[in-house]
Amino acid sequence: NAGVTQTPKFRVLKTGQSMTLLCAQDMNHEYMYWYRQDPGMGLRLIHYSVGEGTTAKGEVPDGYNVSRLKKQNFLLGLESAAPSQTSVYFCASRRAGETHTEAFFGQGTRLTVV
Amino acid sequence: GDSVTQMEGPVTLSEEAFLTINCTYTATGYPSLFWYVQYPGEGLQLLLKATKADDKGSNKGFEATYRKETTSFHLEKGSVQVSDSAVYFCALSDRSNTGKLIFGQGTTLQVKP
Repeated sequence: NAGVTQTPKFRVLKTGQSMTLLCAQDMNHEYMYWYRQDPGMGLRLIHYSVGEGTTAKGEVPDGYNVSRLKKQNFLLGLESAAPSQTSVYFCASRRAGETHTEAFFGQGTRLTVV
Repeated sequence: GDSVTQMEGPVTLSEEAFLTINCTYTATGYPSLFWYVQYPGEGLQLLLKATKADDKGSNKGFEATYRKETTSFHLEKGSVQVSDSAVYFCALSDRSNTGKLIFGQGTTLQVKP
């Protein structure tokens, strides 16, 4: 079972460059999320989606955009990368309707902005 | 807003030692509570959960009890192994219709042989 797949796994960007991180899930989950993980700060929510065609801002949305054109895919875009966006990015998905259901995570994308 | 606070790490233990990682939360209403584990180089995976007061979640020898009166969900294991070395995250899920998880800062556990 693939679960949640993130691409790419590693990337180095120069300041000002743009890129898109792709998240794909094969579990037919309605909810999808993008988090960033930084030392000592846990995981912070960037954006999330509760269904195809809908997105919303999380705790730290500035500098990022997202799209959910298909239910199984959730894209995270950086239009003009900054060194402060150096982080590990995790995508997660979850079934809708129950607050105790398990969230499934991808293996992460390690992004370095120089 | 809702928040989760975990004890500072890293925690270094010898094999077979007793483990406690403290977690407290602030939330409106009655959230579901989780412990996730992240092994080196991997994503997070669910370790255990509890959905209401006094529930005890357990898995792989780990346990945590949902304590509403102290707003806590401490993780315990009676005898840790080297393979338990990982980062542990406490999290809550609020009762909104977004399913968002709010995480603590994570606690790194290193178990030495």
